[in-house]
Amino acid sequence: DAKTTQPPSMDCAEGRAANLPCNHSTISGNEYVYWYRQIHSQGPQYIIHGLKNNETNEMASLIITEDRKSSTLILPHATLRDTAVYYCIVRVPLLGGYNKLIFGAGTRLAVHP
Amino acid sequence: DGGITQSPKYLFRKEGQNVTLSCEQNLNHDAMYWYRQDPGQGLRLIYYSQIVNDFQKGDIAEGYSVSREKKESFPLTVTSAQKNPTAFYLCAATDNSYNSPLHFGNGTRLTVT
Repeated sequence: DAKTTQPPSMDCAEGRAANLPCNHSTISGNEYVYWYRQIHSQGPQYIIHGLKNNETNEMASLIITEDRKSSTLILPHATLRDTAVYYCIVRVPLLGGYNKLIFGAGTRLAVHP
Repeated sequence: DGGITQSPKYLFRKEGQNVTLSCEQNLNHDAMYWYRQDPGQGLRLIYYSQIVNDFQKGDIAEGYSVSREKKESFPLTVTSAQKNPTAFYLCAATDNSYNSPLHFGNGTRLTVT
């Protein structure tokens, strides 16, 4: 079962910031939050991840609440090419050093002119 | 060009036939994963492997088999025992350190009729 909850769809105007929320109220202390996006018929693309501090890279910013029960992915200036399904994922450590990503249904972001 | 290569992009088979999906990586990553994606849904884990000659069942391993004879290769066989084999199959790899992201291939879309 997915450990995250996301809205099924969102809209954003081109050039504006897209703020995608995610709830992960059952997250454990050592579990990271990852964000991926998927354009139709392609493999998921890694965007960013974090544990408890806010993170920023060339693609996006990740804001994690202090209690770690929710986070927000921010695309600062959305473009039409950012139209995709965005997955918020908790990375679960497994025995033997493996890790497991549990995917939910994601948020379908539509960026319009 | 480093990455994960899945081939072919599209695959068609008759019901009752086994089919093998290829996944090759030149990232020198230890861990490799197979996921299945059905329309409008997230990814579900089929099998994963951390080292050569070792692999573990994921959440939906029934009807599938894998091998890991080489570090760079992790083929997936969809057997005739898999009741609903038509799906989008994604291979991923990571160096499996605690906070390293998974990198995905671009998938193989299998259609069984």
